[in-house]
Amino acid sequence: GQQLNQSPQSMFIQEGEDVSMNCTSSSIFNTWLWYKQDPGEGPVLLIALYKAGELTSNGRLTAQFGITRKDSFLNISASIPSDVGIYFCAGRRDSNYQLIWGAGTKLIIKP
Amino acid sequence: GAGVSQSPRYKVAKRGQDVALRCDPISGHVSLFWYQQALGQGPEFLTYFQNEAQLDKSGLPSDRFFAERPEGSVSTLKIQRTQQEDSAVYLCASSHRLNTEAFFGQGTRLTVV
Repeated sequence: GQQLNQSPQSMFIQEGEDVSMNCTSSSIFNTWLWYKQDPGEGPVLLIALYKAGELTSNGRLTAQFGITRKDSFLNISASIPSDVGIYFCAGRRDSNYQLIWGAGTKLIIKP
Repeated sequence: GAGVSQSPRYKVAKRGQDVALRCDPISGHVSLFWYQQALGQGPEFLTYFQNEAQLDKSGLPSDRFFAERPEGSVSTLKIQRTQQEDSAVYLCASSHRLNTEAFFGQGTRLTVV
């Protein structure tokens, strides 16, 4: 099925480092969402973006809705152990309530 | 409960067996979605309900998949004659209304052997 291009696939970082990940598409979306999924759990919404160019923060997390509407970025500052997990981007076109998802970025913090 | 509840959490089925997966959405939520998540992938849309009406079933992979929500609350996803490729996590999500963000359940992990 259709999926967004999400990168990197995985990240190995030291605690305290900043993290950046992104999601791109060949088509335009009107909503970009970022989720975190822990093992054995469902995705939990972190940040929702509804306007091109929008920059939104949630604690140490900051996400941006790309001006072209074809991409989005998520940054995590000063990572901590509980940030470990899989981060997913998802996009939605207003005319269709379906969410199209990326394949996820697995964040691993090196001891 | 306060969140979306799915049962069973884990299901092992022999190939050819029928299975039924249950979703209890958040009380009062009108919209309900089912997604299929293969290992190492993001979720993929299966079907959408608004109250008891199934408005979109375009993501169901075959006619072996059937979903219902007869009273506009609890939903059941049924898979007939399960195949190995049906092995995945099945996620249910509900939202208060369309175009408000949905809350996800923990999912049911189906393994077909």
